[in-house]
Amino acid sequence: EPEVTQTPSHQVTQMGQEVILRCVPISNHLYFYWYRQILGQKVEFLVSFYNNEISEKSEIFDDQFSVERPDGSNFTLKIRSTKLEDSAMYFCASRRDRGLRNEQFFGPGTRLTVL
Amino acid sequence: LAKTTQPISMDSYEGQEVNITCSHNNIATNDYITWYQQFPSQGPRFIIQGYKTKVTNEVASLFIPADRKSSTLSLPRVSLSDTAVYYCLVRGSQGNLIFGKGTKLSVKP
Repeated sequence: EPEVTQTPSHQVTQMGQEVILRCVPISNHLYFYWYRQILGQKVEFLVSFYNNEISEKSEIFDDQFSVERPDGSNFTLKIRSTKLEDSAMYFCASRRDRGLRNEQFFGPGTRLTVL
Repeated sequence: LAKTTQPISMDSYEGQEVNITCSHNNIATNDYITWYQQFPSQGPRFIIQGYKTKVTNEVASLFIPADRKSSTLSLPRVSLSDTAVYYCLVRGSQGNLIFGKGTKLSVKP
């Protein structure tokens, strides 16, 4: 069964450093998402991406964040200058098309620890 | 945007049927109701989705009354491995999922 993959599984970085989180969505999916979950809290939407551009972003997704689909398979989330409060699990998700019935498939997540 | 409300936690024993009810009073006409399951340190996993009446798959059943202002996820004969957080969700305007705090289900032996 096809699945969303994410790398790395765990990233430790120093405050102020740049990090890139990588995701490989399911191959025939067209819509891509990033969510984050701070330890013990709910899953929060960050950004949605379609047709090589951002379609919606939340208030959390400020200028420190960017997303890119550099090739036909990868989907990346970049945090330019990490802060302590960026420590969280980051989940990538993909969906096949815009139909209302299509569920999102989530990856296993990347645990980001900012020291 | 529609919000959902569900119990924070529920306890059950192995072999019992568990019903988790969610209210979504402001659900939009074209919104589907979707349930996800999440284990600790894992991504959410799709369980079931429905629009109205009853939907059943190999994992669960979903009951939605005619007014669609609530829904009930039914897990038949739960086991210890069903211990997880269960989320009732509606979609945002761009298809993004709006998560609440979910219901933490604890299944005891």
